[in-house]
Amino acid sequence: ETGVTQSPTHLIKTRGQQVTLRCSSQSGHNTVSWYQQALGQGPQFIFQYYREEENGRGNFPPRFSGLQFPNYSSELNVNALELDDSALYLCASSSYRDPAHEQFFGPGTRLTVL
Amino acid sequence: GQQVMQIPQYQHVQEGEDFTTYCNSSTTLSNIQWYKQRPGGHPVFLIQLVKSGEVKKQKRLTFQFGEAKKNSSLHITATQTTDVGTYFCAASNTGKLIFGQGTTLQVKP
Repeated sequence: ETGVTQSPTHLIKTRGQQVTLRCSSQSGHNTVSWYQQALGQGPQFIFQYYREEENGRGNFPPRFSGLQFPNYSSELNVNALELDDSALYLCASSSYRDPAHEQFFGPGTRLTVL
Repeated sequence: GQQVMQIPQYQHVQEGEDFTTYCNSSTTLSNIQWYKQRPGGHPVFLIQLVKSGEVKKQKRLTFQFGEAKKNSSLHITATQTTDVGTYFCAASNTGKLIFGQGTTLQVKP
């Protein structure tokens, strides 16, 4: 196990609702990245947080937003949910000091939008 | 933006056969990482390749980075049922990963 935890494990929402997903990074890691993985696809980079600031963003609309807290844990917020937002949301923590930038993934949150 | 293509999408092998997945990019990569995701699980880091022509081995797994740093491969010798899962290559850019579509390996005992 990586030490990265995510909550909740599963979530069912309806279109138009808002959702908040949470991630606790591995001890000693100051960087958190969020990915969306649709069924049968590779993870897609949403954004990354480093020292509480957004540090890069993928091709996702502004209704996907995030936060990082002083203890390096993070939240992913999605507003105005759409059916296509149904996916596994993965959080990964890493250390900027690690030259390999190895990413340690959490177990993910499975979001279903009805 | 940067894209990474991976083939094949699926591979079914008999236990004991070899397996290879290929990863290609149209642009030069600074480095490439490989991850394995078991069914119902999350991606787990396997290795990072950085140097042109680099070859690294982990037991039955051999990873290669092309001379032009535009392609990479993962080869598994004598597959076992524990090798089942989806193997992803990912281009790493200051910690942000661009994943390929993955190759799902099924192993028949």
